[in-house]
Amino acid sequence: DTAVSQTPKYLVTQMGNDKSIKCEQNLGHDTMYWYKQDSKKFLKIMFSYNNKELIINETVPNRFSPKSPDKAHLNLHINSLELGDSAVYFCASSQKTGTEAFFGQGTRLTVV
Amino acid sequence: GDSVTQMEGPVTLSEEAFLTINCTYTATGYPSLFWYVQYPGEGLQLLLKATKADDKGSNKGFEATYRKETTSFHLEKGSVQVSDSAVYFCALIRHNAGKSTFGDGTTLTVKP
Repeated sequence: DTAVSQTPKYLVTQMGNDKSIKCEQNLGHDTMYWYKQDSKKFLKIMFSYNNKELIINETVPNRFSPKSPDKAHLNLHINSLELGDSAVYFCASSQKTGTEAFFGQGTRLTVV
Repeated sequence: GDSVTQMEGPVTLSEEAFLTINCTYTATGYPSLFWYVQYPGEGLQLLLKATKADDKGSNKGFEATYRKETTSFHLEKGSVQVSDSAVYFCALIRHNAGKSTFGDGTTLTVKP
């Protein structure tokens, strides 16, 4: 009965590869997000979707492409992975815009 | 734009000590304010929130009061435990905003 679940939890891959992270929420929320947390624990918003529509894209390289097939899912595809992409990626959701976010457990991406 | 400034860490306390983590914000209007906690290896969990001036959020012995006049939302706990060791994030969101704004996080270590 996990509220926001993302897979995989760990991802180790080589530079240049393409990978995807999946996220699903069973809370019935309208809004979903992707955040990136670096090694110093700083959190940075990447994308925000409301009812499957992109509403925020925070100057993220276009190698990162989110996709929301329905309100309950927001996946993140990353092309041509670089060393600097190594981080923990968090999916989150909120009931609607302007309300608190509920976070998944994170995906630790390591690019070697 | 919106911003959140919180006390730099790391903070190290002995068990049963009093905790204060300062948080101040800049935002237009009347945002909602939050404290999130991140335990090692986990995602962020909402710890407490306040949605209007003078509201006090509380949970698990933690408290924070929304002070409009000083634009602050300081986190306090009267007696910390080893299990409170975590990273604490102050955050805000404006009504209908598509994203939350997070502080840089404060790492708390409580020693027995």
